[in-house]
Amino acid sequence: DTEVTQTPKHLVMGMTNKKSLKCEQHMGHRAMYWYKQKAKKPPELMFVYSYEKLSINESVPSRFSPECPNSSLLNLHLHALQPEDSALYLCASSQDQGRVQPQHFGDGTRLSIL
Amino acid sequence: DAKTTQPNSMESNEEEPVHLPCNHSTISGTDYIHWYRQLPSQGPEYVIHGLTSNVNNRMASLAIAEDRKSSTLILHRATLRDAAVYYCILRDGIYNQGGKLIFGQGTELSVKP
Repeated sequence: DTEVTQTPKHLVMGMTNKKSLKCEQHMGHRAMYWYKQKAKKPPELMFVYSYEKLSINESVPSRFSPECPNSSLLNLHLHALQPEDSALYLCASSQDQGRVQPQHFGDGTRLSIL
Repeated sequence: DAKTTQPNSMESNEEEPVHLPCNHSTISGTDYIHWYRQLPSQGPEYVIHGLTSNVNNRMASLAIAEDRKSSTLILHRATLRDAAVYYCILRDGIYNQGGKLIFGQGTELSVKP
């Protein structure tokens, strides 16, 4: 069982669709993260939110739009994605951004772009 | 970002100790050494972290070389459930960069019954 909940677990969408991925945690953590993981590759950081403000954007294309509506929720809005965006999208949270804080990961949303 | 080097894969027998090595020769004085693992079909899971001294927790032990250029994750008695990809990660000393987990290729550990 994971303390970071991601929905949906699987998502199939066309290149013209708009969809959103959702991530929720109730551990009181103030830092939240999105990672992308392609098959057989390590996770790659996309975005970091700290105290509900965007702290790091790793030069992610604008077709990915993150949102942090409150301290427990993190969304990733998807629009006009490409087939190469098919991947596992992982959300994580930690007490804060400090380098000693462990990150707690969800089990991800597996996204397929048709 | 400081880089780590790990073997691509390792094998272990069930109920035997496993030593997973990691080289990080460009580590800076304020970088913490973190280990995560990723079981099949799951998100990564935090295992342990340390700065200079050896560390123990319920999951594993972390042995850090005196010059900090290498470290070893020790699983004391491997179980089938420990089969996973193990990542050794350095976390930047600068606060707002500390949130960045830069995953390398990791070591895929297989455990034989």
